Amino acid sequence: ILNVEQSPQSLHVQEGDSTNFTCSFPSSNFYALHWYRWETAKSPEALFVMTLNGDEKKKGRISATLNTKEGYSYLYIKGSQPEDSATYLCALWGSARQLTFGSGTQLTVLP
Amino acid sequence: GAGVSQSPSNKVTEKGKDVELRCDPISGHTALYWYRQSLGQGLEFLIYFQGNSAPDKSGLPSDRFSAERTGGSVSTLTIQRTQQEDSAVYLCASSDSTLYGYTFGSGTRLTVV
Repeated sequence: ILNVEQSPQSLHVQEGDSTNFTCSFPSSNFYALHWYRWETAKSPEALFVMTLNGDEKKKGRISATLNTKEGYSYLYIKGSQPEDSATYLCALWGSARQLTFGSGTQLTVLP
Repeated sequence: GAGVSQSPSNKVTEKGKDVELRCDPISGHTALYWYRQSLGQGLEFLIYFQGNSAPDKSGLPSDRFSAERTGGSVSTLTIQRTQQEDSAVYLCASSDSTLYGYTFGSGTRLTVV
């Protein structure tokens, strides 16, 4: 059974601030770590998939890193904008061929 | 279709009634998943269909919940005798069974009053 924890549960930042949040996992017994972004009333949208220790991915102002040895992944947002407001979900793909999700970090960017 | 479609998008039902939620996955995706998110909780796995194999029902919370996938395509999730704790957003996702993740539908928000 894979365990995924995300922190903080919620976060409020001012427009223009940079921010980051954490996905932690006690075991590295998985094949891939996924980050999703979920806006209210929309479908969760895939952001990144990372498979190797030390992976770093970037899409615009958003980037993510993976450290399987120490059991965490960070998601960074540079210069937050109101449209970044969403719930950010971390999930692990394991041998059961399904994703196990964390409870998410709800980000609110205040204009 | 181009994406995963779910219907209805919103459903309000009275306690004790049965509801059916529908998911139309991406054509050709062999794997189909149902999850739900209750208020303040994470995404909870419910059931997983893979091709013609027997589904993984390990996440269904009670025997009031059942799901079918007909012809390897459309799936319906049925909740019998709904309870208030069934109120949640029910998400469907499909996958071509690689580790590169899912494509989600936009969900059905179920409210049991």
